[in-house]
Amino acid sequence: DTAVSQTPKYLVTQMGNDKSIKCEQNLGHDTMYWYKQDSKKFLKIMFSYNNKELIINETVPNRFSPKSPDKAHLNLHINSLELGDSAVYFCASSRRGGEDTQYFGPGTRLTVL
Amino acid sequence: AQSVTQLDSQVPVFEEAPVELRCNYSSSVSVYLFWYVQYPNQGLQLLLKYLSGSTLVKGINGFEAEFNKSQTSFHLRKPSVHISDTAEYFCAVDDRGAQKLVFGQGTRLTINP
Repeated sequence: DTAVSQTPKYLVTQMGNDKSIKCEQNLGHDTMYWYKQDSKKFLKIMFSYNNKELIINETVPNRFSPKSPDKAHLNLHINSLELGDSAVYFCASSRRGGEDTQYFGPGTRLTVL
Repeated sequence: AQSVTQLDSQVPVFEEAPVELRCNYSSSVSVYLFWYVQYPNQGLQLLLKYLSGSTLVKGINGFEAEFNKSQTSFHLRKPSVHISDTAEYFCAVDDRGAQKLVFGQGTRLTINP
């Protein structure tokens, strides 16, 4: 009964390909997030959604497109992958935002060759 | 924009010794403050958070942190560490109303026997 799950755990692909990462939460939370953790462990928010509505869109290339089919799911699609996209991507969820604890998924390690 | 500085990138300590991990944030009218822990190859989980009230906050696994508004600090402490505390520790801040966590660079805590 994993709270926040992500698939796949590992993703190895060639430059120029398109790939998706899926995220699901079974906590009944309204808000979901995508974070990128680089090789130096720095963690930065990319997007947040509240009840399927985009709330935060940081300065992320438009090759990255999040999609929320329902409030329990937030998927991340990446077009035309580049070497610099290699990182660990974390999905998280919270009841709302602000003071609420964020619950993180196990991460997806993306390697672009 | 809000920023968070974790002053030590690595902290090695011996088992059963006390430890302090330092965190400073840029000034703001009011903030929510968090410490998250990331064990190897896992997602982040909440250790503790400060929202309001008492400046000394107790968290899981024997950790505590003190909010100091005048010094804009939120240092994390544990009186006696265990091998299992080896992990990466992240301080984060949310500007009330921003609903966006900004993370520090992380501190790697290594416990030596």
